[in-house]
Amino acid sequence: DAGVIQSPRHEVTEMGQEVTLRCKPISGHNSLFWYRQTMMRGLELLIYFNNNVPIDDSGMPEDRFSAKMPNASFSTLKIQPSEPRDSAVYFCASSAGLAGGFETQYFGPGTRLLVL
Amino acid sequence: KQEVTQIPAALSVPEGENLVLNCSFTDSAIYNLQWFRQDPGKGLTSLLLIQSSQREQTSGRLNASLDKSSGRSTLYIAASQPGDSATYLCAPTGANSKLTFGKGITLSVRP
Repeated sequence: DAGVIQSPRHEVTEMGQEVTLRCKPISGHNSLFWYRQTMMRGLELLIYFNNNVPIDDSGMPEDRFSAKMPNASFSTLKIQPSEPRDSAVYFCASSAGLAGGFETQYFGPGTRLLVL
Repeated sequence: KQEVTQIPAALSVPEGENLVLNCSFTDSAIYNLQWFRQDPGKGLTSLLLIQSSQREQTSGRLNASLDKSSGRSTLYIAASQPGDSATYLCAPTGANSKLTFGKGITLSVRP
């Protein structure tokens, strides 16, 4: 299996622009997670989906952030408009179920976002 | 709210040394706890997952223990190697099925 695939790997944009991050989970996994990692705050969960349905989006920082999962093999995280403080590494992870059981989360390589 | 602490933030040891990485968490109502490894510029790789009913889990030179009542977990690395150099993060899973990560311990193993 190719693992979790994220694109783009690097993104540099200017403040105010729309940014779309993409994720393809491991085939057969039914849970998908979006995380953000910064030096100051560490790794934080933004939102997670189970069977394509958003379960908890309490970690989404504000309305500028939105996430969708139109089918089992694709998810997007969108920031509109972007701000310099959104600069971070964004990770997508998937698992075979909700993390409360035996399931391990498998992480993608991340997207490094820099907002100028 | 779950808070996870990993101290020290960085550790440097000579090759061959056995070492222990510590993790503490404030809310003992967890389903499991995972230890991850992160290499520079890369994603996270799960090393071990300990269920709340288990006391420890082993994989090769790694052994992780869990004391849920005291809110502590340790990752033991035997006979450390330069290839073990990375950041190690622990993450308990709470009743809301969400992982809360510590900030990690950056390990450097000197040849």
